[in-house]
Amino acid sequence: AQSVTQPDIHITVSEGASLELRCNYSYGATPYLFWYVQSPGQGLQLLLKYFSGDTLVQGIKGFEAEFKRSQSSFNLRKPSVHWSDAAEYFCAVGANNNDMRFGAGTRLTVKP
Amino acid sequence: KAGVTQTPRYLIKTRGQQVTLSCSPISGHRSVSWYQQTPGQGLQFLFEYFSETQRNKGNFPGRFSGRQFSNSRSEMNVSTLELGDSALYLCASSLAVGLSTDTQYFGPGTRLTVL
Repeated sequence: AQSVTQPDIHITVSEGASLELRCNYSYGATPYLFWYVQSPGQGLQLLLKYFSGDTLVQGIKGFEAEFKRSQSSFNLRKPSVHWSDAAEYFCAVGANNNDMRFGAGTRLTVKP
Repeated sequence: KAGVTQTPRYLIKTRGQQVTLSCSPISGHRSVSWYQQTPGQGLQFLFEYFSETQRNKGNFPGRFSGRQFSNSRSEMNVSTLELGDSALYLCASSLAVGLSTDTQYFGPGTRLTVL
């Protein structure tokens, strides 16, 4: 079965600084990859997804992610973080067996 | 278009009781999935329903069950509640069946506390 690891439990960045959240997956075939964001008391919102094609994926709110097969990674990036980006971010991996696995999440704090 | 709605938003039960949670998907969506989110285990998939049939199931005991109605609304039931069932239960809807491929839209969740 597939699995996903988010190595960073908590990250703090200053407003306006760049951001990179790490995600590594384990799966034998080409996975379906997702990044979700969850604000306190809210459900998950899809930021972006990768199924195939261009390995650099653009999402909402200025986020992008790059699929690197050689590194089994799908890191999320944003060039300039806004205070409203403070939330918890989840990477998820899906497979052809219709199983979906989520990472443990990375909590982002934005300093003024 | 209205999003996914879940009722109730908060619930307090005692051990041994049972509970039913409700989820209304986005209009036109026929797939509804349920997830449990806890600090210790994170987000875990419970089951997916499409056209009133359970299509996929996670690794949860039989105390967790669900159903879907003809209007695509779904309910999730947990019987004989245990303290460990305290969690945020999230519902997600999508147009087609298949967790891995179709985009899922999540509701705000139901916070269940078991005392």
